[in-house]
Amino acid sequence: QKEVEQDPGPLSVPEGAIVSLNCTYSNSAFQYFMWYRQYSRKGPELLMYTYSSGNKEDGRFTAQVDKSSKYISLFIRDSQPSDSATYLCAMSGSMFSGGYNKLIFGAGTRLAVHP
Amino acid sequence: KAGVTQTPRYLIKTRGQQVTLSCSPISGHRSVSWYQQTPGQGLQFLFEYFSETQRNKGNFPGRFSGRQFSNSRSEMNVSTLELGDSALYLCASSGGADRGDIQYFGAGTRLSVL
Repeated sequence: QKEVEQDPGPLSVPEGAIVSLNCTYSNSAFQYFMWYRQYSRKGPELLMYTYSSGNKEDGRFTAQVDKSSKYISLFIRDSQPSDSATYLCAMSGSMFSGGYNKLIFGAGTRLAVHP
Repeated sequence: KAGVTQTPRYLIKTRGQQVTLSCSPISGHRSVSWYQQTPGQGLQFLFEYFSETQRNKGNFPGRFSGRQFSNSRSEMNVSTLELGDSALYLCASSGGADRGDIQYFGAGTRLSVL
């Protein structure tokens, strides 16, 4: 079983829809939770970063972390065709557990937003 | 401010050869991490260097190695290439003055092994 599970999709939604992307994980040592967006033939670009549990909002994007359930989510409101990309969740442990800069990624969910 | 720069962008090699990839981090960043991305395995952590020392290592064979120079630039080497080494190799830097725990990725080097 992988440490981080993410449905690879693909997920196809109409423009303006609310998109929900999720990951589950098994390692309770994870403290830092990130969402990256990757366009075709590009490197991952950081979208959201959260430490421990809680919600974080940035424009149309909201990230949620529930450490008790080992479950993280990314919501995209008013989705646009330019949001079409692969969304990767990533996690890392604390500085003291030795996993500080070792990101563990989900498989990535391919999202297509059609006009 | 320039981002993470990886060279070359594309490489074609044959089985048994070796290859060296280069990564220049964002100015001021001291940590460089390397990842391998394949359709089957996704993004996997290779290793991390901080102040010229390997601080963390993933589960890859010894054919994969790296180093970091005093200016924080890093190189990754793969010896005795196998077909399965074909992948996008990504470098990420972190350890800047303001948000040191966020990794910023380069565009990657796409390696094809024939």
